[in-house]
Amino acid sequence: EPEVTQTPSHQVTQMGQEVILRCVPISNHLYFYWYRQILGQKVEFLVSFYNNEISEKSEIFDDQFSVERPDGSNFTLKIRSTKLEDSAMYFCASRHREVDTEAFFGQGTRLTVV
Amino acid sequence: KNEVEQSPQNLTAQEGEFITINCSYSVGISALHWLQQHPGGGIVSLFMLSSGKKKHGRLIATINIQEKHSSLHITASHPRDSAVYICAVNPNQGAQKLVFGQGTRLTINP
Repeated sequence: EPEVTQTPSHQVTQMGQEVILRCVPISNHLYFYWYRQILGQKVEFLVSFYNNEISEKSEIFDDQFSVERPDGSNFTLKIRSTKLEDSAMYFCASRHREVDTEAFFGQGTRLTVV
Repeated sequence: KNEVEQSPQNLTAQEGEFITINCSYSVGISALHWLQQHPGGGIVSLFMLSSGKKKHGRLIATINIQEKHSSLHITASHPRDSAVYICAVNPNQGAQKLVFGQGTRLTINP
């Protein structure tokens, strides 16, 4: 069964460092998303991406964040200068079409900023 | 106010019991999703529905669009059903994203 894969599964970084979280969505999917879940809290939307551009972003997704689909298969989330409050589980998801289709999630990357 | 509210927040039951988890939402939606999150953190899609009822094995999901309410039922519950069950919606405004409820932590004791 096709799946969304994320790497790494766990990353520890020092405050102020840049991190790149990687995702490989399902190959025929067109819509890509990043979500995050701070420990003990609900999952929150960060950004959606379609046709090589951001289609929607939340207030959380400020100038410190960026997304890219550099080579047609990978979908990355970059945090330029990490803060302690960026510590969370980050989930990548993909969908075949915009609506009325199931979302497939990766296993998540646990980011710990120290 | 949260757009998606789930109840209960925590639920403990004995193996074999019939389980119901409820979800209410306050916005117009194009679809509602039930998801399962295991202790390791991974999220798995269980159902996506926009009307009526869907069944998969021991799991049943229903939605009432007029009342803005959905339920997830588990029949003959088993300890392996222990997980966090999350309701999420695609709002009509910004239909691409999912808006999540806070989840219901289900524990099934043998």
